[in-house]
Amino acid sequence: LAKTTQPISMDSYEGQEVNITCSHNNIATNDYITWYQQFPSQGPRFIIQGYKTKVTNEVASLFIPADRKSSTLSLPRVSLSDTAVYYCLVGDKGATNKLIFGTGTLLAVQP
Amino acid sequence: NAGVTQTPKFQVLKTGQSMTLQCAQDMNHEYMSWYRQDPGMGLRLIHYSVGAGITDQGEVPNGYNVSRSTTEDFPLRLLSAAPSQTSVYFCASSYMENTEAFFGQGTRLTVV
Repeated sequence: LAKTTQPISMDSYEGQEVNITCSHNNIATNDYITWYQQFPSQGPRFIIQGYKTKVTNEVASLFIPADRKSSTLSLPRVSLSDTAVYYCLVGDKGATNKLIFGTGTLLAVQP
Repeated sequence: NAGVTQTPKFQVLKTGQSMTLQCAQDMNHEYMSWYRQDPGMGLRLIHYSVGAGITDQGEVPNGYNVSRSTTEDFPLRLLSAAPSQTSVYFCASSYMENTEAFFGQGTRLTVV
């Protein structure tokens, strides 16, 4: 299973764009990159998933370079409510029953 | 749709006691899993299931049992509680073709 490395914490201000980078040097050919968000006292919530290039949905974008050894979660114009822990996961697309979480990145958004 | 429901939300046990954490989902998901989360850490997989009657061990299975007699329910049993099992427990479910797992609100367990 590919191991991921993320910054432990990041600070931002409301209205800014936030980019969280995840390193996964030994990602396998079949692996997808998935990001989850976790608020205090809640279970994680799926944000976005991708395999290569760029994926965008209503809440975030995911950028994956050609070598797929890293990925960047981009949150546009963050607000206070985006303060949470963000987890980068790498694994088989269908293995949603055995997710491997790292320690994640604590994003603190200030006014 | 209630999603994934966990009960109880909070529980205090004495060392050596046993108990069952309940997890139910109403989305007809084949996959269900149990995770524990210790302070400042990510979630770690305890046990998982790919369907009724089928379970398997995750990363940290010792001290826990599971069974999956129905698609909807996936209880987690603590056989003899230890202080090291103090943690927040999350249950998750997913449809095998989906890209995302849905998590419950968690059970905060304290073993004294």
